[in-house]
Amino acid sequence: QSVLTQPPSVSEAPRQRVTISCSGRSSNIGNHGVSWFQQLPGKVPKLLIYFDDLRPSGVSDRFSGSKSGTSASLAIRGLQSEDEADYYCAAWDDSLNGWVFGGGTRLTVL
Amino acid sequence: QVQLVQSGAEVRRPGASVRVSCKASGYTFTTYAFTWVRQAPGQGLEWMGWISGYDGETNSAQKFQGRVTMTRDISTSTAYMELRSLRPDDTAVYFCARETLVAGTVVDYWGQGTLVTVSS
Repeated sequence: QSVLTQPPSVSEAPRQRVTISCSGRSSNIGNHGVSWFQQLPGKVPKLLIYFDDLRPSGVSDRFSGSKSGTSASLAIRGLQSEDEADYYCAAWDDSLNGWVFGGGTRLTVL
Repeated sequence: QVQLVQSGAEVRRPGASVRVSCKASGYTFTTYAFTWVRQAPGQGLEWMGWISGYDGETNSAQKFQGRVTMTRDISTSTAYMELRSLRPDDTAVYFCARETLVAGTVVDYWGQGTLVTVSS
């Protein structure tokens, strides 16, 4: 049981837009920046978004993050087949004094 | 360019210990921390702990306290994670990742992962 709650899977057609939600509590998302990681099959997690909505250099602007209260979202527009991956949200948790992750969302591009 | 290179796969018996290394390059070692994350087969990411590259301060998840030790060697720019009293459910890929010195802010670069298999 993950501390942050994500849908197990989402799917959408190529060139469309999809959003992945991440729900937490005041001790984590409500009080700290949210990060999003992309994990391609068999690969290492890659940072997509940090501090809720900032993109590291080199990450496509098709990826965007947002947060409201104790929930966050990752949006991917202009879906491509190479976006098929597992996506994880993460945030620091004051109660646990450590990072907590969502259970991951598998994106399928139809 | 920033690189984190981890040690190779390990196989251990239940009850044994394992130490995973993570050699950093491409940046000043003492200006960042390391966070350790594991991923059991087919499962999600689980945070294990954090060690400052600057002063060696550590913080570990309650689940692993008493079983995990994180250290670092400035002279070789290497971080280490030792897990003791291994159980079969410790079988996982263990990742080191670079984090800012302020814990809980940004985890950016990841090592390639080290598969640890615990089996009798």
